[in-house]
Amino acid sequence: NAGVTQTPKFQVLKTGQSMTLQCAQDMNHEYMSWYRQDPGMGLRLIHYSVGAGITDQGEVPNGYNVSRSTTEDFPLRLLSAAPSQTSVYFCASSYSSRTGDGTAYEQYFGPGTRLTVT
Amino acid sequence: AQSVAQPEDQVNVAEGNPLTVKCTYSVSGNPYLFWYVQYPNRGLQFLLKYITGDNLVKGSYGFEAEFNKSQTSFHLKKPSALVSDSALYFCAVRDGDGQNFVFGPGTRLSVLP
Repeated sequence: NAGVTQTPKFQVLKTGQSMTLQCAQDMNHEYMSWYRQDPGMGLRLIHYSVGAGITDQGEVPNGYNVSRSTTEDFPLRLLSAAPSQTSVYFCASSYSSRTGDGTAYEQYFGPGTRLTVT
Repeated sequence: AQSVAQPEDQVNVAEGNPLTVKCTYSVSGNPYLFWYVQYPNRGLQFLLKYITGDNLVKGSYGFEAEFNKSQTSFHLKKPSALVSDSALYFCAVRDGDGQNFVFGPGTRLSVLP
């Protein structure tokens, strides 16, 4: 198993440019998510998906778009990059816990993408 | 709403000494609690989790954590620290009714030789 893979590892964008961060997992996980990590702020949830065709917003969704056409892939799109989006982005996946069933699955994280917007 | 606090930005401990990294949480419903570790330029790695049952949870690399419901805490511990334990540690919570995780701000652990 490759686990969770992310590409690219590094990216520099100019303000206003758009790009897509790729994320894929080969563990057949239903749940996938995107976080950004900024110093002193921990990880903040951008968007998440509980299965193919289903996505929802997290804590900081503005300026980002996602889709989930397959179980394996969950790309994150930056529509018009801004310097405030300079961050490290992590994709994560897990089995999907069902409400009230007493389970809680840990998330597996990708290696991250370091994005700089100038 | 769920929240997680890690009251210490930095913890320094001498190699061979016991270490504790603190975490307190706030959730509605039953708490599902996690600890992750992040080494430089790497993604987060799962260490351990508390779902239910025994309040002392054992995890990877000799780490354990103690769940205390009355104090709403889930402190990470290790009896004897190694220099290689130096990293950034995150506490996270997922409440019983949701799919999503909320992470604390992280605590940087430095183990001094």
